[in-house]
Amino acid sequence: AQSVAQPEDQVNVAEGNPLTVKCTYSVSGNPYLFWYVQYPNRGLQFLLKYITGDNLVKGSYGFEAEFNKSQTSFHLKKPSALVSDSALYFCAVRDISPMNRDDKIIFGKGTRLHILP
Amino acid sequence: DAGITQSPRYKITETGRQVTLMCHQTWSHSYMFWYRQDLGHGLRLIYYSAAADITDKGEVPDGYVVSRSKTENFPLTLESATRSQTSVYFCASSPLREVSYEQYFGPGTRLTVT
Repeated sequence: AQSVAQPEDQVNVAEGNPLTVKCTYSVSGNPYLFWYVQYPNRGLQFLLKYITGDNLVKGSYGFEAEFNKSQTSFHLKKPSALVSDSALYFCAVRDISPMNRDDKIIFGKGTRLHILP
Repeated sequence: DAGITQSPRYKITETGRQVTLMCHQTWSHSYMFWYRQDLGHGLRLIYYSAAADITDKGEVPDGYVVSRSKTENFPLTLESATRSQTSVYFCASSPLREVSYEQYFGPGTRLTVT
């Protein structure tokens, strides 16, 4: 069965510093991987995805993520954090193995990112 | 404005009452989903639908009923609400499976069961 883990409930970063939000996954086949962001009292917004190709994926608001198949990770990164990046971030995975007939995406529990002025 | 909407945005109900949460999307996306968001659990899938008249269970379907008679609507019904169903509910939609599979979320419904 597919699963995704976000090992940190909260990450604190000073404004201007680089940030990383960690995500690891488990699938039986190849994964589709996603990052979403949730601002207070809002629904989730899509940030970026890895389907195939280049392991470094660029997304919205200056975020990027690196797919590492050997470490089964898909960490979210940004070179210079902004206070406005403070939000809840969700990693998600879909197993595209031919054995998996599900159309479901599994979400992690979320990591709250605090950018300190 | 086109998009995905949910109603009501806030609802307080009593234990044992039936409650229906509405979801409407204007993109004609094939896939629609219902999630609940709870502290410590993240997002958990309740039900999803691949097309009109096709629905399937997710991770936590017990106590919920869905229907999808039209592509654009995907209502979620709590047949007899319980306090454990107090949560924030999100509806989402997605285009065809073969395309990109990213999901577009509604603003959520905060449901309190007293």
